[in-house]
Amino acid sequence: QVQLQESGPGLVKPSETLSLTCSVSGYSISSGYYWGWIRQPPGKGLEWIGFIYHSGSTYYNPSLKSRVTISVDTSKNQFSLKLRSVTAADTAVYYCARDVDYGSGRYVGYWGQGTLVTVSS
Amino acid sequence: DIQMTQSPSSLSASVGDRVTITCRASQTITSYLNWYQQKPGKAPKVLIYAASSLQGGVPSRFSGSGSGTDFTLTISSLQPEDFATYYCQQSYSTSYTFGQGTKLEIK
Repeated sequence: QVQLQESGPGLVKPSETLSLTCSVSGYSISSGYYWGWIRQPPGKGLEWIGFIYHSGSTYYNPSLKSRVTISVDTSKNQFSLKLRSVTAADTAVYYCARDVDYGSGRYVGYWGQGTLVTVSS
Repeated sequence: DIQMTQSPSSLSASVGDRVTITCRASQTITSYLNWYQQKPGKAPKVLIYAASSLQGGVPSRFSGSGSGTDFTLTISSLQPEDFATYYCQQSYSTSYTFGQGTKLEIK
């Protein structure tokens, strides 16, 4: 069973870089699929941040692309999110996730439990 | 970006009611439309993928339909555990987008 677990600071200062790591168990990242991040501001809806394919190709939300980097460390079976120059608007629950390929398309099939990151001085 | 618009944003209904939620895409997404259910404090879970395919383990009272730009999620007979927030999501583009959500509340 694929399991994902987010880790990282729960509080980040404005203008600094938010860094989160997702540890994966039950499946090897290097074997395939898209791995990525989705966030949800308190009381609001879901926002897709981006994905990284096991080969290293990345796809980012255009509205965040200039500030986001997603990378993978296959030796640790982890992938990471860096979001630069954060503001209070980046306060959210951040989920790491993996898609499921049903042949002709994909959906987000595996989610971490989510971690709240607050941007505040 | 493909914009996804759900309606209504919130809905009050009673146990046993039939409920329909609508999702509209800003351009054609053929059948690359998924529906998720989210309960407070939990990660979303997929209910329907490819517009109308029921995810394993999801009760048959949930159904999805549509193609192109217009899609619906129907719950045929609401159960107490169905009160939650529902999101549509397109996977037509490599830049995924979600609808804004529909909060289903008990009347």
